[in-house]
Amino acid sequence: GAGVSQTPSNKVTEKGKYVELRCDPISGHTALYWYRQSLGQGPEFLIYFQGTGAADDSGLPNDRFFAVRPEGSVSTLKIQRTERGDSAVYLCASSLTETSVPDEQFFGPGTRLTVL
Amino acid sequence: AQSVTQLGSHVSVSEGALVLLRCNYSSSVPPYLFWYVQYPNQGLQLLLKYTTGATLVKGINGFEAEFKKSETSFHLTKPSAHMSDAAEYFCAVSGGNQGGKLIFGQGTELSVKP
Repeated sequence: GAGVSQTPSNKVTEKGKYVELRCDPISGHTALYWYRQSLGQGPEFLIYFQGTGAADDSGLPNDRFFAVRPEGSVSTLKIQRTERGDSAVYLCASSLTETSVPDEQFFGPGTRLTVL
Repeated sequence: AQSVTQLGSHVSVSEGALVLLRCNYSSSVPPYLFWYVQYPNQGLQLLLKYTTGATLVKGINGFEAEFKKSETSFHLTKPSAHMSDAAEYFCAVSGGNQGGKLIFGQGTELSVKP
């Protein structure tokens, strides 16, 4: 079956611009996670959704970052006024559900964002 | 708060040799522990996980890890390395009121020499 997909695979933008990164989770997965991976580092949690609602957005670095999941499937991560420090690989993952004993998270290939 | 420390950003072994990748965690609640592998230009893939029960966990591709609460460790091992094992390996922790979110270590790159 289809895995988690992310588009675009690469995005180059200029400082100050607005970008949107899209994630299509595995069909039927109710939990969706966004992580950011900087060069040479492990993934860093940003936000996760249970259904349509953001259950935990404590990892968003500032108010330039926002994410939505309006119909409980596809999610979009939005970054306003991009800065060079936002350059990273943005990873999306989904799991069947989010419970006290976590299900396996399936990761997409990521979107590599470069801010010039 | 939870955190993970992976000792050694780069490990090199010979083909057929033992693989040992070290992971220590910090958690104020009973942890759930994971090892993920990332091959070049591919997404993260779960190798194995510990939630409850048996402390020795077996995963895919011949890997296993042992949860040692007294040492706050979850080291990953494989008896005999293959060239195909060359990749980046990440240890992660979750649990308690954190929901399902994962806290990752900084990763260990494994190289396998012929």
